[in-house]
Amino acid sequence: DAKTTQPTSMDCAEGRAANLPCNHSTISGNEYVYWYRQIHSQGPQYIIHGLKNNETNEMASLIITEDRKSSTLILPHATLRDTAVYYCIVFNAGNNRKLIWGLGTSLAVNP
Amino acid sequence: DAGVIQSPRHEVTEMGQEVTLRCKPISGHNSLFWYRQTMMRGLELLIYFNNNVPIDDSGMPEDRFSAKMPNASFSTLKIQPSEPRDSAVYFCASSLGGANEKLFFGSGTQLSVL
Repeated sequence: DAKTTQPTSMDCAEGRAANLPCNHSTISGNEYVYWYRQIHSQGPQYIIHGLKNNETNEMASLIITEDRKSSTLILPHATLRDTAVYYCIVFNAGNNRKLIWGLGTSLAVNP
Repeated sequence: DAGVIQSPRHEVTEMGQEVTLRCKPISGHNSLFWYRQTMMRGLELLIYFNNNVPIDDSGMPEDRFSAKMPNASFSTLKIQPSEPRDSAVYFCASSLGGANEKLFFGSGTQLSVL
């Protein structure tokens, strides 16, 4: 599976948009980009995923570049409850379905 | 739906003792995953089942670890004998399977082996 690179940590002011980048330059054509987050002392929580097109749901938006080598997760109006570690993962269902979890980005939303 | 249910929430045991962690996946999900999380190694997949059959157990650290899924609504992860280095948070997750991998995680079991 393709590897991902994310910043170790980021800060965001409450009420502002949080833009979390992810590089996945070795992604192949049939690999999806998944985002999860883990709030302290909880299990990871699915946020969103996409293949080529931009995606939006009630939690976030996912912007994937045209060459698919990078993506950005956008939390449009960050709240204190969005403070968490955010994981960007590239997944290929044709392989052994083993999600490779990196260290993620620790997002701190400040009042 | 109550989500993925794990028990116990916390487990403290002494080295050499047997530890059994339990998981009830979301009803209708046909894939189940056991993960371990530590500060040093992050989230690691130990084993996953599809339709109750173990598909990939390459992440199981050693023979002290074993996992079973006797039916679609229950799975166990057993460590025998336990060692201090097994101390970690163990997560169970389930999914519908197929081409997409939207996992639903339980709250985890915090294991401390003294």
